[in-house]
Amino acid sequence: KAGVTQTPRYLIKTRGQQVTLSCSPISGHRSVSWYQQTPGQGLQFLFEYFSETQRNKGNFPGRFSGRQFSNSRSEMNVSTLELGDSALYLCASSSGQGPRPYEQYFGPGTRLTVT
Amino acid sequence: SQQGEEDPQALSIQEGENATMNCSYKTSINNLQWYRQNSGRGLVHLILIRSNEREKHSGRLRVTLDTSKKSSSLLITASRAADTASYFCATDLKTSYDKVIFGPGTSLSVIP
Repeated sequence: KAGVTQTPRYLIKTRGQQVTLSCSPISGHRSVSWYQQTPGQGLQFLFEYFSETQRNKGNFPGRFSGRQFSNSRSEMNVSTLELGDSALYLCASSSGQGPRPYEQYFGPGTRLTVT
Repeated sequence: SQQGEEDPQALSIQEGENATMNCSYKTSINNLQWYRQNSGRGLVHLILIRSNEREKHSGRLRVTLDTSKKSSSLLITASRAADTASYFCATDLKTSYDKVIFGPGTSLSVIP
C-alpha cells in the first residue's frame, strides 16, 4: 500500500497570501487529521475529517480551514498568511472507524515558510 | 499548557547504551502512544499502551504506564545511531478519543 502523500513538500509564501496544502491518505482510510508543528508550540492538532465531514477541531483561528473529498483526499487552506504560520504541516490518515484508538499514519509533511 | 510533557528535552548517549524518556500528562487518558520523528519529517508510530495496561514491549522498545502517577516511560535498549530522532508521547483524553495531544518531545542523539 502506498503511504500518505502530501503536496507540495516545500512552499514559500508572502504575508497576506493564502495557501492550499493537499494530503492523500492511505487507500481505504477515511479519516484525515492535520497538525501544525513549530519549534515553539510543538505539534498541535488542527482538525480531523471523516467521510467529508469535520469531526473534530483544534484551537486555531478561522483562517485555517480544511475539507475532504469523496475519495478521502483532504486539503487545508490558510488565508491571510502571517509570519507565525511558518511551520511543518503534517497530515495523518487512519481508518477512522471500528474499535478505537485508530492508529495514525503520518505523511512527510509540507514545510511552509512565510516571508 | 501541554497535556503531555516529555523529559528530558534532549538526551545524548553512546551507541549500545539504553535510553529512557519519560512522559507526564495531566488528565485521564484512554491510551498513550509513542512516536518517532526523524529530522523534521513525518512521525512514525512506535507503540500504543492502553490505560488498563502497565507494560508493553516491541523489539528493543519497552513502554510502561503508571496511571496513578500519570506518567509513562519509553526505554530503548542497545541503542543504535539510527535511533537518533525526536520522540513524542501522545495522549487522547478520556473525554474524547478524537483529539490526540502531543508532548513537546525528547531529542535523542546516539553517538556512534
